[in-house]
Amino acid sequence: AQSVTQLDSQVPVFEEAPVELRCNYSSSVSVYLFWYVQYPNQGLQLLLKYLSGSTLVKGINGFEAEFNKSQTSFHLRKPSVHISDTAEYFCAVSESGGYQKVTFGTGTKLQVIP
Amino acid sequence: ETGVTQTPRHLVMGMTNKKSLKCEQHLGHNAMYWYKQSAKKPLELMFVYSLEERVENNSVPSRFSPECPNSSHLFLHLHTLQPEDSALYLCASSQDPGTGPHEQYFGPGTRLTVT
Repeated sequence: AQSVTQLDSQVPVFEEAPVELRCNYSSSVSVYLFWYVQYPNQGLQLLLKYLSGSTLVKGINGFEAEFNKSQTSFHLRKPSVHISDTAEYFCAVSESGGYQKVTFGTGTKLQVIP
Repeated sequence: ETGVTQTPRHLVMGMTNKKSLKCEQHLGHNAMYWYKQSAKKPLELMFVYSLEERVENNSVPSRFSPECPNSSHLFLHLHTLQPEDSALYLCASSQDPGTGPHEQYFGPGTRLTVT
């Protein structure tokens, strides 16, 4: 069965500093990987996804993530954060083939400090 | 209205009440989902409907009863809930999950408090 681990429940970072949010997954087959963002009082919104091809994936709002198969990771990065990036970020995994069930991590709250 | 809408946005109910949550999607999708979001827990998938048929039911207590009358509407009927059922209930939609890894589009959620 697939699973996702987000070890950091909260990440404080100063405005304009870089940030990395960590995500590790577990699966016995090929996977698809996603990052979603949830702003206060809103539902989740897709930031980016890895399906195949280049391991470096660029998403909205200047975020990018790199798929590392050997380390089973899909860390999210941004070189310079803004106050508006304060939100909760969820990593998710879906196994390839058949019914595409998506499993979400516990989320990482990014707090950008002015 | 565009995207995925949910009503009500907030709901307070007693343990003996019966209420329903409503979700509507305007994206032309044919799959809809109910999730439960509790603090410090992973997003819990409750039900999935694809092409108006329930394809997943993750051991959800019978006090939660889903209904999908058509591909655009999804309901979650609630009765005799427990305080631990207090959470944010999120609805999502996507293309048929049996045809590939499709992005899910989420509504803003209903904040449920059981007293």
